[in-house]
Amino acid sequence: DAGVTQSPTHLIKTRGQQVTLRCSPKSGHDTVSWYQQALGQGPQFIFQYYEEEERQRGNFPDRFSGHQFPNYSSELNVNALLLGDSALYLCASSLGGDRGHQPQHFGDGTRLSIL
Amino acid sequence: RKEVEQDPGPFNVPEGATVAFNCTYSNSASQSFFWYRQDCRKEPKLLMSVYSSGNEDGRFTAQLNRASQYISLLIRDSKLSDSATYLCVVNPRNAGNMLTFGGGTRLMVKP
Repeated sequence: DAGVTQSPTHLIKTRGQQVTLRCSPKSGHDTVSWYQQALGQGPQFIFQYYEEEERQRGNFPDRFSGHQFPNYSSELNVNALLLGDSALYLCASSLGGDRGHQPQHFGDGTRLSIL
Repeated sequence: RKEVEQDPGPFNVPEGATVAFNCTYSNSASQSFFWYRQDCRKEPKLLMSVYSSGNEDGRFTAQLNRASQYISLLIRDSKLSDSATYLCVVNPRNAGNMLTFGGGTRLMVKP
C-alpha cells in the first residue's frame, strides 16, 4: 500500500524562477493538501484540492497555485520565486474533502532552496 | 498573535523522566485537536488526537481545556526514541480539513 509520494526530494532554484512540485496521494485518498514549513517553524497551510478544485486556501499570495488531476495526484506551482520561499513543502492526503477532520498522511516533502 | 502557540524548547530530560508540553490556541471555535510528532528532516506523523475528556495512549496522555483554550501532552518514562519535535495542531470549525500547526516543541531525551 503506497503512502504519499512527493517529487523531487530536493530542488535548487534562483530568484524569479518558477517551480512545480508533485504529489501522489496515499492509495484510496481523494483529497490533497499542501503545506509550507520554514526552518524551525511548524507547517503552514497553503491550499487543499478535492474533486480537481481548490476548496480552501491559506494566507499565501497568488504566486502559489495548484492543480489536481483526475487520478487525484496534485501539483504545486510557485512563480517569481523569492528567497523567503525556501522551505520544506509537504503534501498531505486524506479522504472525503472537507467533511470534517479526516486523518491526514504526509509525504516526505520537497526541500526547496532559493539562491 | 499566532493561532497556535507552543514553547519551542528544547526540553532536555534524562531517560525515564516525565515531561509535559503545553499549547494554547486563539480560535475558540476550534473543534478538533491533535499532537503530531516530527523527527529531524522527516514528515509530521499523527501521535494522538486530543479529546475533551482527556485520553491516554500508553505512556502518552493528552488533555484539553476548552474554557482556557489550552492543550497539553504528558510523556511518562521518557525513552531515547521520544526525542523529536512535538507539534500541537488545531482544526478550526468550518475549516474543513485544514490543519493549523503550532511552531513545535523540541524534546531531547539523554541517556
